[in-house]
Amino acid sequence: QVQLQESGPGLVKPSETLSLTCTVSGDSMGNYYWSWIRQPAGKGLEWIGRIYNTGSTNYNPSLKSRVTMSVDTSKNQISLILSSVTAADTAVYYCVSLSSTGSFDYWGQGILGTVSS
Amino acid sequence: SYELTQPPSVSVSPGQTASITCSGDNLGGKYACWYQQKPGQSPVLVIYQDTKRPSGIPERFSGSNSGNTATLTISGTQAMDDADYYCQAWDSSTAVFGGGTKLTVL
Repeated sequence: QVQLQESGPGLVKPSETLSLTCTVSGDSMGNYYWSWIRQPAGKGLEWIGRIYNTGSTNYNPSLKSRVTMSVDTSKNQISLILSSVTAADTAVYYCVSLSSTGSFDYWGQGILGTVSS
Repeated sequence: SYELTQPPSVSVSPGQTASITCSGDNLGGKYACWYQQKPGQSPVLVIYQDTKRPSGIPERFSGSNSGNTATLTISGTQAMDDADYYCQAWDSSTAVFGGGTKLTVL
């Protein structure tokens, strides 16, 4: 079973860049695709994007201009970069495995990313 | 952009059947998934490909999807099922979530 652990700075200033890393363990990265999903406090889930082990990506159109995802299979890590952040980007960010059926099977515990000066 | 609509809240008595709907244009032509989220926890997949249950999910959870509506049904609802539920589908390589439904078991 896959285990996912998010890490990164918890606090970022407005207009700066949020950088998060997800470390994968428990199974081969080649068996899955990967996504980032976020959830503002008290609100619903928002899909950020997905990445395949080949590096191919799809992003949420509403965030596409500010998002970059990458994968490093040698380190078993997936990365998320969100640029030009505002307070609206404050949320819990989840690293999630995406199965071939299109479902989000395994979720990390989530990491709170706060945008504040 | 594609939208999925869920009722904000549903209430059910213990032991009764709860039904949570998710509506979207021609949703029946896509696969729907459902996730359960309890306070302070990460979401958990409970239904995928409209009707399938992952290993470890109780049989009381079932799903259907036809026309414009997908439905999550919980039979013999238990107090532990009190949670938020989110539907999800794919549209043009974009994952879309419903706004979520708070299921209250009382």
